[in-house]
Amino acid sequence: GAGVSQSPSNKVTEKGKDVELRCDPISGHTALYWYRQSLGQGLEFLIYFQGNSAPDKSGLPSDRFSAERTGGSVSTLTIQRTQQEDSAVYLCASSTNALVAIIGGGGYTFGSGTRLTVV
Amino acid sequence: AQSVAQPEDQVNVAEGNPLTVKCTYSVSGNPYLFWYVQYPNRGLQFLLKYITGDNLVKGSYGFEAEFNKSQTSFHLKKPSALVSDSALYFCAVRLYSSASKIIFGSGTRLSIRP
Repeated sequence: GAGVSQSPSNKVTEKGKDVELRCDPISGHTALYWYRQSLGQGLEFLIYFQGNSAPDKSGLPSDRFSAERTGGSVSTLTIQRTQQEDSAVYLCASSTNALVAIIGGGGYTFGSGTRLTVV
Repeated sequence: AQSVAQPEDQVNVAEGNPLTVKCTYSVSGNPYLFWYVQYPNRGLQFLLKYITGDNLVKGSYGFEAEFNKSQTSFHLKKPSALVSDSALYFCAVRLYSSASKIIFGSGTRLSIRP
């Protein structure tokens, strides 16, 4: 697609339920990133994919969080047994190549995010 | 560990005046530095980057930033602010050798009054 697409744009869920957030990167972008933006906070790195593998998942806050990527394209971030502190905007970004994008590109292209509210 | 600091949560400037949004970084190596902007109800947009070369880099919407290695700073500037510049601005750093992630600052809310 023309940009990074994230769905749903808004999600309200009850505490303890599982949620899945989807990211559809720009076609051909091999690198994909998940970030979290909490109210009043900066952007917090969660996980990075190169192709279908995740060389860096150091930012996942707990084992309730997991992510996968299939076909080198769409990625799903899953949060199990959601807690109120999980409420945030979850942002996905993609780039052509983790290193090449730095030189020739504009860094990352971000999606509009999924606003997750846990009640 | 690499980190980015934006010491000001909010910056208020009158339209037409110059603006500066401060950023300092801490990395052990050669940094790649970025500024991103987030307008209300919109996603993050890339503004500009410093990779190497000229310390003054120019970006979108008339913004520029100056890389200062001795002060480990990468302040964002604009000679004449517009009301439409009001947004949330993020500074970010990435190590030359890092293939994984960009580290973002906490953000600075820029408010331009008419």
